[in-house]
Amino acid sequence: QLQLQESGPGLVKSSETLSLTCSVSGGSITSSSHYWGWIRQPPGKGLEWLGYIYHSGSSFYNPSFKSRISISVDTSKNQFSLRLDSVTAADTAVYYCARLDGYHRPFPLDYWGQGTLVTVSS
Amino acid sequence: QSVLTQPSSVSGAPGQRVTISCTGSSSNIGAGYDVHWYQQLPGTAPKLLIYGNNNRPSGVPDRFSGSKSGTSASLAISGLQAEDEADYYCQSYDSSLSGSVFGGGTKLTVL
Repeated sequence: QLQLQESGPGLVKSSETLSLTCSVSGGSITSSSHYWGWIRQPPGKGLEWLGYIYHSGSSFYNPSFKSRISISVDTSKNQFSLRLDSVTAADTAVYYCARLDGYHRPFPLDYWGQGTLVTVSS
Repeated sequence: QSVLTQPSSVSGAPGQRVTISCTGSSSNIGAGYDVHWYQQLPGTAPKLLIYGNNNRPSGVPDRFSGSKSGTSASLAISGLQAEDEADYYCQSYDSSLSGSVFGGGTKLTVL
């Protein structure tokens, strides 16, 4: 059974960089049929796309974040990572990593991590 | 403000049938892009409920069904159960935004 697990600091200072890693187990991140993505959910609000990546390193970002977001992949560790620069209180959210099913368009998210709360403090 | 509009809340009694709408435009659902639906139980991660407008992943009860017409999609839940109380989100692709988008979410209350 595929499992995804987010890890990283739960508290980040305003103007600094948020960094999270998603560890994938029970399957390979080099699957040709899947992409790997990040989604966030501010407290009490809805879901928001951040971006996704293919194991080759090809990535797509939500234009709203394009200037300060980066997603990378480490196939040797079966992990992918999120970096969000210059955070503010508006970036406080539960961050989820997920697998995207590449067989369908748009890509449905068929496996999700449990999510990790990141709070941005001043 | 999402480009996919969902009612903020719906409710129904156990055993009843409820529907949740997801209204888009000519740059997303109306352009022919598929719609997916997710269920988010309180305090948990979302779960894929319907993909490709009307397909259920393995393990999802057939009480859940999806449909799409024109610029809108709908999720129907029949034989409502207490355990269905959750937030529901639609997802599609928007060509003007060049990316996937989520609806704002609908809270389902089982009376």
